[in-house]
Amino acid sequence: DTEVTQTPKHLVMGMTNKKSLKCEQHMGHRAMYWYKQKAKKPPELMFVYSYEKLSINESVPSRFSPECPNSSLLNLHLHALQPEDSALYLCASSQEDRITGYEQYFGPGTRLTVT
Amino acid sequence: GESVGLHLPTLSVQEGDNSIINCAYSNSASDYFIWYKQESGKGPQFIIDIRSNMDKRQGQRVTVLLNKTVKHLSLQIAATQPGDSAVYFCADLGPNDYKLSFGAGTTVTVRA
Repeated sequence: DTEVTQTPKHLVMGMTNKKSLKCEQHMGHRAMYWYKQKAKKPPELMFVYSYEKLSINESVPSRFSPECPNSSLLNLHLHALQPEDSALYLCASSQEDRITGYEQYFGPGTRLTVT
Repeated sequence: GESVGLHLPTLSVQEGDNSIINCAYSNSASDYFIWYKQESGKGPQFIIDIRSNMDKRQGQRVTVLLNKTVKHLSLQIAATQPGDSAVYFCADLGPNDYKLSFGAGTTVTVRA
């Protein structure tokens, strides 16, 4: 199983709403990632979790709050977003061990629209 | 800024022809390179990777070439098919780093 799943597929939220994006993988990967992707642009790294601990925060605004409840799950909590935060949010995972392989497997993404 | 960039934003290919997508990178310390394919409405899909101790790697219908002298990476797709139409991203990874640096992407369109 090389699948990363994400829910919901689409999300529309107002600027005062609180919502969460969810990501799940069952490949035994110990590194998980959140990316933001604008149309016709490459993915931009937001957060990295390694062994369930936040290891990288790419200076992301605090209105985005990641959470890793266990080694298979990754959440992204959203609060007081701005219209410019509308984008495709991608989750990815990879083996933590660089020697055995480092490809990141991406989920299908959540298409977020902030109104 | 981006450490990896693609030479051309778009590529139009006749079905059945071979495709070559190019990428230049700037970080001479990068030791791992990946190609991803992203179809419309989907997440990036891993195609093939190569480490800096290799100069060529082949997969099914795809070949990645790495020229460390000129810091150039290419993806060759043999007998291009309509299903190959997508945006292709190259990415590199520096040592001791989890952060992939993506190129801008090349949109490949396959003509029937």
